[in-house]
Amino acid sequence: AQSVAQPEDQVNVAEGNPLTVKCTYSVSGNPYLFWYVQYPNRGLQFLLKYITGDNLVKGSYGFEAEFNKSQTSFHLKKPSALVSDSALYFCAVRDIGTGGFKTIFGAGTRLFVKA
Amino acid sequence: GAGVSQTPSNKVTEKGKYVELRCDPISGHTALYWYRQSLGQGPEFLIYFQGTGAADDSGLPNDRFFAVRPEGSVSTLKIQRTERGDSAVYLCASSLGLGGTDTQYFGPGTRLTVL
Repeated sequence: AQSVAQPEDQVNVAEGNPLTVKCTYSVSGNPYLFWYVQYPNRGLQFLLKYITGDNLVKGSYGFEAEFNKSQTSFHLKKPSALVSDSALYFCAVRDIGTGGFKTIFGAGTRLFVKA
Repeated sequence: GAGVSQTPSNKVTEKGKYVELRCDPISGHTALYWYRQSLGQGPEFLIYFQGTGAADDSGLPNDRFFAVRPEGSVSTLKIQRTERGDSAVYLCASSLGLGGTDTQYFGPGTRLTVL
């Protein structure tokens, strides 16, 4: 069965510092991996995805994520955090082997960027 | 263009009542998904449609939950004999329907409260 773990409920970082939001996954086959962000009273917004190819994926708002197959991780990163990045971040996975449409989300990590 | 829309934005009902939640996907998207998000949790997969048919309904918690998409566009999630535990935000998403690499676009959700 597919599963996603986001080990940190909250990540605190000072504005201008680099940030990392962690995600590990478990699938029986090869994964498709996604990151979404949720702002208060708004729907989930797509940030980036890994399908195949280069392990470093670049996405919206300066975010990037690195796929590490041996560690089954897909951590979200940004070189310099902004206060406006404060939001709830979700990692998600689809198992290619099961046909790929069912998506499993992690429990979310709240990012707090302090000015 | 218009995004995914969901109506109503809020629904308050009494235990035992029947409710319908509506989702209007992005025009041209053949895939449609329903998720349930409880407080402090990530979205939980309920059902996925490809066109008019439910391709995967493995996430529906029990037979009180049912969803339809009769013309391959608008979808309705139906909950019979509501229980207090059904209180959550119900999210709808749509995608092009090309496969597991699809990016899902989410609506703002319907907040269901069962008293």
